[in-house]
Amino acid sequence: AQSVSQHNHHVILSEAASLELGCNYSYGGTVNLFWYVQYPGQHLQLLLKYFSGDPLVKGIKGFEAEFIKSKFSFNLRKPSVQWSDTAEYFCAVISLTGGFKTIFGAGTRLFVKA
Amino acid sequence: DTAVSQTPKYLVTQMGNDKSIKCEQNLGHDTMYWYKQDSKKFLKIMFSYNNKELIINETVPNRFSPKSPDKAHLNLHINSLELGDSAVYFCASSQDGPGEQYFGPGTRLTVT
Repeated sequence: AQSVSQHNHHVILSEAASLELGCNYSYGGTVNLFWYVQYPGQHLQLLLKYFSGDPLVKGIKGFEAEFIKSKFSFNLRKPSVQWSDTAEYFCAVISLTGGFKTIFGAGTRLFVKA
Repeated sequence: DTAVSQTPKYLVTQMGNDKSIKCEQNLGHDTMYWYKQDSKKFLKIMFSYNNKELIINETVPNRFSPKSPDKAHLNLHINSLELGDSAVYFCASSQDGPGEQYFGPGTRLTVT
């Protein structure tokens, strides 16, 4: 079955630490990839996306992600986190074959200590 | 000028009742979705509509019935509510199927 795995369920960092959140998916074909963020009490917002081209994509608020096709991975990174990055982060994958169904990972809760 | 709006924001009701959640998007998008987010924050797609036509219907009990009167609206009606239906329900829209999605603020449903 198609699935998306986020390896870290809870991450606690101090401000200025670097962040990397893992995301792996199990689709065999072409996919579109997304990272969404949900700040406390808010709705999900797009952080960044990858459709094609340069596998290193940059998003809002200094986030970036790298698509590694051979590893079926799309890890999220930020060189220096801030307290305001405290949120839930979701990786999402849409297969471009078979109905465009979106599968979300289970989410990673990031807490940044001031 | 909210892009995707949902009403109500909170819904508290008793088991066995029937309730509806409304969703509207003013982005001109063709595709709309309903998601359920459980207490562990896990997001699962329930339905997807494209231009008022149902295109994704996950394994959801048939007590849940989506209705799309036009492509800007996708409502969710739930019959005979159960305790396990308690969750946050998010509506979303996208220009097309494989694109980025814009989410509404969510409706927190509590069934007692």
